[in-house]
Amino acid sequence: GAGVSQSPSNKVTEKGKDVELRCDPISGHTALYWYRQSLGQGLEFLIYFQGNSAPDKSGLPSDRFSAERTGGSVSTLTIQRTQQEDSAVYLCASSLDRRLGTEAFFGQGTRLTVV
Amino acid sequence: KNQVEQSPQSLIILEGKNCTLQCNYTVSPFSNLRWYKQDTGRGPVSLTIMTFSENTKSNGRYTATLDADTKQSSLHITASQLSDSASYICVVSEQTSYDKVIFGPGTSLSVIP
Repeated sequence: GAGVSQSPSNKVTEKGKDVELRCDPISGHTALYWYRQSLGQGLEFLIYFQGNSAPDKSGLPSDRFSAERTGGSVSTLTIQRTQQEDSAVYLCASSLDRRLGTEAFFGQGTRLTVV
Repeated sequence: KNQVEQSPQSLIILEGKNCTLQCNYTVSPFSNLRWYKQDTGRGPVSLTIMTFSENTKSNGRYTATLDADTKQSSLHITASQLSDSASYICVVSEQTSYDKVIFGPGTSLSVIP
């Protein structure tokens, strides 16, 4: 597709279960970001991948959160032992190269609800 | 600490009226500043991007200004339309090896008929 694709669009899970969120960035984009947005709140940075460099994981809120980017393309955000406070919209974005100040393109997000 | 603040938090205006949204930042060293529009239930979409040397940039009815000395930016919307109802987010890039971005909390704009 032409844009950033995220799946699933909605996910309801029971507290304590693990979830995986997927992001397909725009082809050729080397930079990929994950953000979290709670209801009525601004975007919270989680993790950033840039090419083959070590990812910036400084935004991950706890060790229950992890992310991978395989082959420099698809990324998976994993939340283990989900808690109710993990409920939010998880947004993925990609861009050609951050150092060029290029535009970030966002996916539609995955709405996670932990019950 | 690098921060981005926006005001007002929310705004309601009548269709056809103009409005101005404010963004103040303390990010340093500064790389660039963007304004994004986020419709309800969707991801943000870029409206404008401004670098240190740019003072103003327009995109249709949207005009962004930047004062790098005072570290302030504004987004002016002219002749508002109902479709302008959205959250407007100011995003500032810190000039690191990869331009780490810092998001503002957003201004929620409601345009009513």
